[in-house]
Amino acid sequence: GQNIDQPTEMTATEGAIVQINCTYQTSGFNGLFWYQQHAGEAPTFLSYNVLDGLEEKGRFSSFLSRSKGYSYLLLKELQMKDSASYLCAVRDSNYQLIWGAGTKLIIKP
Amino acid sequence: ETGVTQTPRHLVMGMTNKKSLKCEQHLGHNAMYWYKQSAKKPLELMFVYSLEERVENNSVPSRFSPECPNSSHLFLHLHTLQPEDSALYLCASSQSLGSGSDEQFFGPGTRLTVL
Repeated sequence: GQNIDQPTEMTATEGAIVQINCTYQTSGFNGLFWYQQHAGEAPTFLSYNVLDGLEEKGRFSSFLSRSKGYSYLLLKELQMKDSASYLCAVRDSNYQLIWGAGTKLIIKP
Repeated sequence: ETGVTQTPRHLVMGMTNKKSLKCEQHLGHNAMYWYKQSAKKPLELMFVYSLEERVENNSVPSRFSPECPNSSHLFLHLHTLQPEDSALYLCASSQSLGSGSDEQFFGPGTRLTVL
């Protein structure tokens, strides 16, 4: 079966750095997405990785290792507004998105 | 209106009611999706439409019936639902169906409660 694993919840301090991990086992791989979802709102696109390595976009970076079936989202200089759920999703061999259950990130002052 | 809109935002219905959820995308996209989001569970893909034709139906119970009259509008018709169908129903669209880095744009969702 297909599976995406990510921690259920994480807590971090304002101004700090946090890394949210995602491991996947899917039938084929055609890219990995990270989305942010604030409570009661729509998920919004953060990043896309299809090749190994680190993609940096401002305070957010996303890393991919295809051989390990592993990705992480790195958030720097955390702000209170970063409190949200972070969803990992993999596009499989049928080009469908397989989603993780999301990681709820709580930022404390 | 911009992006993806959904109405209603909240819906409470009895098990014998019939209701419809509406989604509209203003992005000129060719693919549209219905997802179910339950607490602490992954997004569940329910239906996929590409150029108004259904291309995916992930074993969804027949009490959910989708309709895509054109590439900008998507409906989800509901009838004789069960309490376990209570969830957030999200609509999304993308430029094409699963091509490369095509991201999906989501609407704000309809919070459905079945009594």
